[in-house]
This record gives sequence, C-alpha cells and structure tokens, in this order.
Amino acid sequence: EILLTQSPGTLSLSPGERATLSCRASQSVAGSYLAWYQQIPGQAPRLLIYGASSRATGIPDRFSGSGSGTDFTLTISRLEPEDFAVYYCQQYGTSPMYTFGQGTKLDIK
Amino acid sequence: QVQLVESGGGVAQPGRSLRLSCAASGFTFSSYGMHWVRQAPGKGLEWVAVTWYDGSSKYYADSVRGRFTISRDDSKNTLSLQMNSLRDEDTAVYYCARGGGVYCTGGSCYSLDYWGQGTLVTVSS
Repeated sequence: EILLTQSPGTLSLSPGERATLSCRASQSVAGSYLAWYQQIPGQAPRLLIYGASSRATGIPDRFSGSGSGTDFTLTISRLEPEDFAVYYCQQYGTSPMYTFGQGTKLDIK
Repeated sequence: QVQLVESGGGVAQPGRSLRLSCAASGFTFSSYGMHWVRQAPGKGLEWVAVTWYDGSSKYYADSVRGRFTISRDDSKNTLSLQMNSLRDEDTAVYYCARGGGVYCTGGSCYSLDYWGQGTLVTVSS
C-alpha cells in the first residue's frame, strides 16, 4: 500500500504570497497517477491538477504542479482570498486502488 | 454542464443497510468510470469504490469490501452504493465523482474530475 504524506499540516500565509505544498509517497508513483484537489469548507472537492502537472479545466494558471517519483509539489504563485482551503493529493495504485493524503490546510495569516 | 446529485443519506442503526444514489447529467454517463468517496466529520477524504465505464470491473477499499456494493444503471444515468452491515465508522459525507472516460489519456484516466455535493450518512444507535 502506498501512503501519501502531505506537509505542512497547516500553512499560514497572506494574500499575494507564494504557497508551496508537498506530497510525499512511501513508494515511487508514476507521474500520470498523481492529482491535487482543493476543498473549501462545506463544499465538495475540486480537481486542480492531474497527471502531476496538468491543470484541470477552468483552473487559473497561478496553480501549478510538479514532481516525480516520491516527491510532488503544488505551488500557488500568488494567493488570492478564495485560495484559502484544504488541499489533498491523490494517487492511483493497486490495493487500495486510490488513496488520498491527509491534507494541508492553507490559512490566512 | 456536468451535474452529479447524491441522495439516500440519513440515519441508520449499526448493522442495518442504506442505499445511496447519484443522478448524473450533462455528459455521456456510460462512457465514464464512477467513484464513491467519503469524508468522516472533520476528517480527510477516503476513497470507497469505483466501477469502470462498462461496469466490467469494480474495486473497493479494504474498509468496505464485502459490505458495500457499487453499481450503475446506464439507462437511468444513475450510480448506486448499497451499504450493508453499517458500522459507526461509516458515518461520513458520501460523494460520487466522475473518473476516467473510455477515451481518457494519461493522467486524466486516474483523477476524479467532477464531484457531487455529497449526502450525509450517520450510523448511530
């Protein structure tokens, strides 16, 4: 079973700043199999990034994904007020077939 | 536009059953894999089950295998989750989500691109 560990647990930043969120896998993950989601409290998750680095439909270009192997990163270049939310990485594997990281909460400083 | 609307949540006693439904619209339902994902109160996301676009394969999380059954009715554009032998730890908001399509390529095959708003299941005596 591949475990995903996200860090930090909470990130406190101000609008306009750059956010860097990490997702580390316990075993190597193919880049195609890694995705990122945003969840605003009280709302359903929203797909941001698939295939480690491809933006989903309608996602602003301030969001970018990178990484390979066991280390993946979600970067938000300049934080907007609506970006303060919880972010999850997700990978496709074997058993279990899909797993999520525990999440990183992005707080307004 | 793509819409997924869950229903069927509510309160159930431990050991009892509940059936969730997800009504899909705005896309060719029969061409996409479909998932259930849950979120316990105040916790993170947990993947529950997936059915392939043609229903040929179904996979489950270890925590629900043997108790939950995912199914689809392409004639009604509906995804279902039959939940039997419910436990306290099954209490969660259950989301249905769209997976990879029959013509997906690369990473789009392995992500969940549209989600419903969820339905709350509470297991309590």
